[in-house]
Amino acid sequence: QKEVEQNSGPLSVPEGAIASLNCTYSDRGSQSFFWYRQYSGKSPELIMSIYSNGDKEDGRFTAQLNKASQYVSLLIRDSQPSDSATYLCAVKKDGQNFVFGPGTRLSVLP
Amino acid sequence: SAVISQKPSRDICQRGTSLTIQCQVDSQVTMMFWYRQQPGQSLTLIATANQGSEATYESGFVIDKFPISRPNLTFSTLTVSNMSPEDSSIYLCSVDPDSYNEQFFGPGTRLTVL
Repeated sequence: QKEVEQNSGPLSVPEGAIASLNCTYSDRGSQSFFWYRQYSGKSPELIMSIYSNGDKEDGRFTAQLNKASQYVSLLIRDSQPSDSATYLCAVKKDGQNFVFGPGTRLSVLP
Repeated sequence: SAVISQKPSRDICQRGTSLTIQCQVDSQVTMMFWYRQQPGQSLTLIATANQGSEATYESGFVIDKFPISRPNLTFSTLTVSNMSPEDSSIYLCSVDPDSYNEQFFGPGTRLTVL
């Protein structure tokens, strides 16, 4: 079982819709969770971090964490074509390095 | 966050040669990280570089192939040695500037080996 799993996509949503990106992880001791956005040809950009169970909102982005289910998600409300990118989930345990998922490619259709 | 620059931004190299990639940060950071991202793939950690100590390499990466220097708290280099076409990749440095377990990435170096 891979340490961090994501659907590779592409996930296509119409403009204005909610995009839902999912990530599961295998190490139950993981404590920190991150979502990065990576545009084609660019480096990853941190958009959200979450450390506690529940929801964390930042503008149009909401991260959701459920440690019991080992599941973290990212919701993008009112999706825009500019949100089209690959979204990387990353998981970290104290004292250890980041582990990145394979990424989900999101396409927002005008 | 931090402002991170990398040089070169891209290069095309011949098989058997070596390339040194530079990473400069606008603030002092304890830990710097070097990643590789092969085409269509996610990020793979090569090594962690702390100032004043030897870099710590991940499984599958060795110092002879990827020597790293960390002469001060704002700068690091990664050398890709004796290159082969399989080394064609994007190489990224990242830092955790506030020790808040959040990593920020440089713009990357796109390497093509012929």
